[in-house]
Amino acid sequence: SQKIEQNSEALNIQEGKTATLTCNYTNYSPAYLQWYRQDPGRGPVFLLLIRENEKEKRKERLKVTFDTTLKQSLFHITASQPADSATYLCALTTYGQNFVFGPGTRLSVLP
Amino acid sequence: DTEVTQTPKHLVMGMTNKKSLKCEQHMGHRAMYWYKQKAKKPPELMFVYSYEKLSINESVPSRFSPECPNSSLLNLHLHALQPEDSALYLCASRPGRGENTGELFFGEGSRLTVL
Repeated sequence: SQKIEQNSEALNIQEGKTATLTCNYTNYSPAYLQWYRQDPGRGPVFLLLIRENEKEKRKERLKVTFDTTLKQSLFHITASQPADSATYLCALTTYGQNFVFGPGTRLSVLP
Repeated sequence: DTEVTQTPKHLVMGMTNKKSLKCEQHMGHRAMYWYKQKAKKPPELMFVYSYEKLSINESVPSRFSPECPNSSLLNLHLHALQPEDSALYLCASRPGRGENTGELFFGEGSRLTVL
């Protein structure tokens, strides 16, 4: 059956360190993969998109990698700050309309 | 600020009530989505409209009835709901079918409580 997993439900890291979040999937062939941030009680906000033929994308302190052989994406936040504390969701899309979200990782950046 | 506007922000209804959730966007997007999100769970797809036509219905019970009156507006009509339908209902939009820039723009959601 199709499945999306994110490495842990919750992740605590110290301010200034790099946070690394993992998204693994099985029985999908995604055209692209996206990462969203969600704050409590609010809608998700798009962060980065990476296509199946791309290895890496960067945006400011954010970096995402995509390995279609391992069926895995890694999402990095460098020089993390308490303001980065939120739930991070990965989302797969195969045929352009259906976006399926992973369970999310709740990141806490401790001062 | 989000460019997808959802109203109302909060709604409390009884199991026999009929109510509607409304979603509006003026970005010219031609695909609009309804997601349901329970606490500490990811958003779960309910419906997709593409060019004002229903293109995906994820086997949602008929007590939820979507409507897309025009390309800017999406409604979700609610009738005879159950307490387990209490959740955050999220609307999202994206440019349209065939577009390869896939990001979804979400509204802030409507928090529904069914008593």
